[in-house]
Amino acid sequence: DAGVTQSPTHLIKTRGQQVTLRCSPKSGHDTVSWYQQALGQGPQFIFQYYEEEERQRGNFPDRFSGHQFPNYSSELNVNALLLGDSALYLCASSLQGGGINGYTFGSGTRLTVV
Amino acid sequence: TQLLEQSPQFLSIQEGENLTVYCNSSSVFSSLQWYRQEPGEGPVLLVTVVTGGEVKKLKRLTFQFGDARKDSSLHITAAQPGDTGLYLCAGARSNDYKLSFGAGTTVTVRA
Repeated sequence: DAGVTQSPTHLIKTRGQQVTLRCSPKSGHDTVSWYQQALGQGPQFIFQYYEEEERQRGNFPDRFSGHQFPNYSSELNVNALLLGDSALYLCASSLQGGGINGYTFGSGTRLTVV
Repeated sequence: TQLLEQSPQFLSIQEGENLTVYCNSSSVFSSLQWYRQEPGEGPVLLVTVVTGGEVKKLKRLTFQFGDARKDSSLHITAAQPGDTGLYLCAGARSNDYKLSFGAGTTVTVRA
């Protein structure tokens, strides 16, 4: 049973560029959440997608956007990259929200902005 | 400002010793979850506690949820090098889909 799959695992981008990160949820899960984890910090909630719509958003600028596809997979897009966007981006899947019962996380995409 | 405060930030102990990690908040949570994260990996769910005063045991790990559902602790008995990792607490609230994480406690168990 495949868990949450994220791609790519590592990425280096230049300031001002745009990046797309991808996530396939665990089999049977229909909800995808994205988190940003800076070095030495806990994950910070970016947004959650359910039924192909953004259901809730954290305190992140509009440069961060996402999408969920009919097969429940998801993309995270970040425009006009800043040095401060360097972090581990984690995708978490769950069933119908799942905040109360816990999430299954992927291994993350390490984004470095230079 | 973190909604959940974890202490200590770092903990280094010898194999066989016991340790406790604390997670505190001024907010009430519907559930509180503990995750362990190893370098280069995502967090892995260890346990979810939902009832005030609840105690759950997972082999050598004991988790407790405070009576007021604002705080939690994780106790490891006879720690082993395999327990090394970043321990994160995360709270969930009713009508809120996100998890609020603490900054984590880095635990190192020396052989």
